[in-house]
Amino acid sequence: SQTIHQWPATLVQPVGSPLSLECTVEGTSNPNLYWYRQAAGRGLQLLFYSVGIGQISSEVPQNLSASRPQDRQFILSSKKLLLSDSGFYLCAWRQGRGTGELFFGEGSRLTVL
Amino acid sequence: GIQVEQSPPDLILQEGANSTLRCNFSDSVNNLQWFHQNPWGQLINLFYIPSGTKQNGRLSATTVATERYSLLYISSSQTTDSGVYFCAVMKGYQKVTFGTGTKLQVIP
Repeated sequence: SQTIHQWPATLVQPVGSPLSLECTVEGTSNPNLYWYRQAAGRGLQLLFYSVGIGQISSEVPQNLSASRPQDRQFILSSKKLLLSDSGFYLCAWRQGRGTGELFFGEGSRLTVL
Repeated sequence: GIQVEQSPPDLILQEGANSTLRCNFSDSVNNLQWFHQNPWGQLINLFYIPSGTKQNGRLSATTVATERYSLLYISSSQTTDSGVYFCAVMKGYQKVTFGTGTKLQVIP
């Protein structure tokens, strides 16, 4: 069966520090991968999605970036964090072909101080 | 892009009561899902329902794609049903857009 994992689960970082959140999917190949952010406990904002290795679509201009170095690995990064980057970050996947169901990881809670 | 609106935004129920949550979307979609986000932030898949009706225990969902809405029914609510309920739609085969959510609190 397919599984998705994110880490770290919790992160406290100072303003201006770098960020790296990782997400991996197991048990499938060529998935569509997504990064969402949830602020203030409500509403999921799509940040990035990827349909293949090296293919990244950005939905919101910001100081975050995403990369997909391997088929089942999706990384969210920042060179310098802002206070406004605090939030709950969720990685998700769905089967690349057709209109399959979306599945989420456990989430990473980021606090920028 | 496609707009997804959910109502009501907040709902308080007495344990044992029934409720209906609504999701309206602004364009035709290929896919629609309902999720429950528990107090720990985990998003749990409830229904994958681009059209028709499905039932799972005390929960059921109906999507009327031609009229661009979906309904989630919760019967005999329990305190563990508390949390935020999201619908999410897909137009095309890549992007998934979430609704604004309904925050449900079930009190004993």
